[in-house]
Amino acid sequence: AQSVTQPDIHITVSEGASLELRCNYSYGATPYLFWYVQSPGQGLQLLLKYFSGDTLVQGIKGFEAEFKRSQSSFNLRKPSVHWSDAAEYFCAVGSNDYKLSFGAGTTVTVRA
Amino acid sequence: DVKVTQSSRYLVKRTGEKVFLECVQDMDHENMFWYRQDPGLGLRLIYFSYDVKMKEKGDIPEGYSVSREKKERFSLILESASTNQTSMYLCASRPRRRGDTIYFGEGSWLTVV
Repeated sequence: AQSVTQPDIHITVSEGASLELRCNYSYGATPYLFWYVQSPGQGLQLLLKYFSGDTLVQGIKGFEAEFKRSQSSFNLRKPSVHWSDAAEYFCAVGSNDYKLSFGAGTTVTVRA
Repeated sequence: DVKVTQSSRYLVKRTGEKVFLECVQDMDHENMFWYRQDPGLGLRLIYFSYDVKMKEKGDIPEGYSVSREKKERFSLILESASTNQTSMYLCASRPRRRGDTIYFGEGSWLTVV
């Protein structure tokens, strides 16, 4: 069975500082990996995804993530955070039967 | 633009009531999903459907059923609502191709009193 762990429940970061959100997954085969963002009261929006190939993936809004098979990780990064990046972020792993399993989420607060 | 529409954003229902949550997608996607979102638990899969009239249980199907009579519509049914079903419900859809993006609706907030 697949699973995802996001070790950080809540992160506070200053505007303009860098951000890194951690994600560890458990899956027996090559995973499909995703990062989604959710603003308050809204659905989830895809930031980026990894299927194969280059392990550094670029996404929308200036985010990137790096797949590290040896560490079973897919951490999300942004070099300079904007106040609009305050949201909840979810990492997800997909399996061959089309389902996604999600982590518990990391809430990001941006302080001025 | 991709669109997954959940017709009811906010509902308040009484314990024991039958509740229908409707979801429509306009992208001709084969696969549709219902997730439940609770603080600290992330999203948990209730049911999914890979074709019309086809359904499979997810991780937490107890107390729920689903209906997919048309490709674009996927309904979640709470046969007898209970207070522990108070939650945010998210519908999603994706094409059949493996690994492709899942698109989410904006969610339905259900409170059972």
